[in-house]
Amino acid sequence: GAVVSQHPSRVICKSGTSVKIECRSLDFQATTMFWYRQFPKQSLMLMATSNEGSKATYEQGVEKDKFLINHASLTLSTLTVTSAHPEDSSFYICSARTRLGSTDTQYFGPGTRLTVL
Amino acid sequence: AQTVTQSQPEMSVQEAETVTLSCTYDTSESDYYLFWYKQPPSRQMILVIRQEAYKQQNATENRFSVNFQKAAKSFSLKISDSQLGDAAMYFCAYRVYSGGGADGLTFGKGTHLIIQP
Repeated sequence: GAVVSQHPSRVICKSGTSVKIECRSLDFQATTMFWYRQFPKQSLMLMATSNEGSKATYEQGVEKDKFLINHASLTLSTLTVTSAHPEDSSFYICSARTRLGSTDTQYFGPGTRLTVL
Repeated sequence: AQTVTQSQPEMSVQEAETVTLSCTYDTSESDYYLFWYKQPPSRQMILVIRQEAYKQQNATENRFSVNFQKAAKSFSLKISDSQLGDAAMYFCAYRVYSGGGADGLTFGKGTHLIIQP
């Protein structure tokens, strides 16, 4: 149980185009999902918190107009990188929060590698 | 703001031996969670172990155990009987406890664990 998928696993796009990444919780409902960014050989940095049915909360320094997040259902959150540029090339990872028993845990998707040419 | 520090960029251990990975954190909160995540070359984040700050007893999961020193803000991971499959990046992570559980994780920079056969 507690499986999170991401699609696509990797994408290459031209500078100036927009790219959408999907994050799905396959066997549980997630009222909260999180988006992280990981540069090569670096740690994960929280970009934003996605709450079902409401606006996302962005971390300081993350451009909300560039990284559009939509959490339209309890099992799906999407991250759209608008007008992508080479500096947006990175590994994007989502996680979904679920409660198992008395504890809540975040489960991570397998990530999406974005390359902007 | 919370910070997580992993002072060991890389550690190496002989197969079947024991290794300890260090982690310190800084927070003004009294209720929080601490985690160790493993990231193998596949980049999939895998939860290794978690610790609730209010629990004095150190968490254990099979060969993995932690030494949680709340006053010292230290949270080290001990891996016993190291196996080749343990080779990965290990990230220490922190999350403040909140009723909604909507807070993302703050990660350390990671420790690359090498297992020598």
